[in-house]
Amino acid sequence: DAGVTQSPTHLIKTRGQQVTLRCSPKSGHDTVSWYQQALGQGPQFIFQYYEEEERQRGNFPDRFSGHQFPNYSSELNVNALLLGDSALYLCASSRDRGRYEQYFGPGTRLTVT
Amino acid sequence: AQSVSQHNHHVILSEAASLELGCNYSYGGTVNLFWYVQYPGQHLQLLLKYFSGDPLVKGIKGFEAEFIKSKFSFNLRKPSVQWSDTAEYFCAVNSRRGNTGKLIFGQGTTLQVKP
Repeated sequence: DAGVTQSPTHLIKTRGQQVTLRCSPKSGHDTVSWYQQALGQGPQFIFQYYEEEERQRGNFPDRFSGHQFPNYSSELNVNALLLGDSALYLCASSRDRGRYEQYFGPGTRLTVT
Repeated sequence: AQSVSQHNHHVILSEAASLELGCNYSYGGTVNLFWYVQYPGQHLQLLLKYFSGDPLVKGIKGFEAEFIKSKFSFNLRKPSVQWSDTAEYFCAVNSRRGNTGKLIFGQGTTLQVKP
């Protein structure tokens, strides 16, 4: 049984560009949440997707957007990249809108230069 | 605002020493509580969880945590650490109201176990 998978592993972008990160949830999970983890910090909640809709959002600007597909996989899009967007982006999957525990993927390391 | 505070940022122990990592949260409603661990080069893994019932919960690898509601605390313990416990430990909380899955994490505690 595959766990949560994310792609790509690493990404280097230039300020002002746009990026798309991808996540496939654990088998049997229908909810995907995205987190940003800066160096030396705990993960910060970006948003959660359930039934292909954004259900909850953290304190992140509209430059951060997402999508969930019918097979429950998800994308995170970030527009107009800033240097401060450099971080590890984590995807977590769970059942039933995160009512239960969340399982994390390995993350995508984004570097903005 | 909801928040999680981990008291120790960096802990250094010798093998066989006992471990206690502090975690306090700020939230007025009913919560679920978690400890996650991130071993070097690996992704975040669930160590243990508390939803309801017995406030003393046991997790993997001999870890346990105690939920003290009156103190808003969920401290992690292990009687005897091993070198392989070297990792970063995160306490996290989410609200059960509204079925929210937004996990709020503490800043993390880096544990270094000397052989």
